Amino acid sequence: GENVEQHPSTLSVQEGDSAVIKCTYSDSASNYFPWYKQELGKRPQLIIDIRSNVGEKKDQRIAVTLNKTAKHFSLHITETQPEDSAVYFCAARGLDMDTGRRALTFGSGTRLQVQP
Amino acid sequence: GAVVSQHPSRVICKSGTSVKIECRSLDFQATTMFWYRQFPKQSLMLMATSNEGSKATYEQGVEKDKFLINHASLTLSTLTVTSAHPEDSSFYICSATRDRGNEQYFGPGTRLTVT
Repeated sequence: GENVEQHPSTLSVQEGDSAVIKCTYSDSASNYFPWYKQELGKRPQLIIDIRSNVGEKKDQRIAVTLNKTAKHFSLHITETQPEDSAVYFCAARGLDMDTGRRALTFGSGTRLQVQP
Repeated sequence: GAVVSQHPSRVICKSGTSVKIECRSLDFQATTMFWYRQFPKQSLMLMATSNEGSKATYEQGVEKDKFLINHASLTLSTLTVTSAHPEDSSFYICSATRDRGNEQYFGPGTRLTVT
């Protein structure tokens, strides 16, 4: 099955700086890569996603890049603000040929702290 | 659109009792629902995949007789934790997809505490 690794586990930046979180995946058949922001005790919120036929996607201060050859994708947050502080999870989704299941495999999470 | 609700949001139960958690898609028909468990400061771990009208597919290490999943309709899936023990205390989150869509819509989660 799919295995997703995420780094770093914690990240502290100054307000206004950029933050980068990186993930690698193992299953070359994975074709959908979402990023979630989760605040304590709340549900994960989709902040951006990218499909395997695209190399980069941007939405205001958030961007995601995907390198299919190297099987890694990254989240970039520019001009960070204190309200960006949360735990961020990457995920990858492919097709399990044995079960036909299309489930997300999550990375281990990155706790981002933006210092005012 | 694409709202998923869960009930209850919090539940405290005694060891040995059973607890049922409901997951509903409010404004769409969910062909597939997923159940995740999240321990404090950890990631979401998939427990099982639930398809309407068929048996759930459980992940390795998840006891299907302990975590009963029923997906009776296109808008409702239930997770029953049977004979709960303190180690089952966790945050349980469901998600739903529609048709062959990529995006998963998450419920707000249920905090289970077993005393």
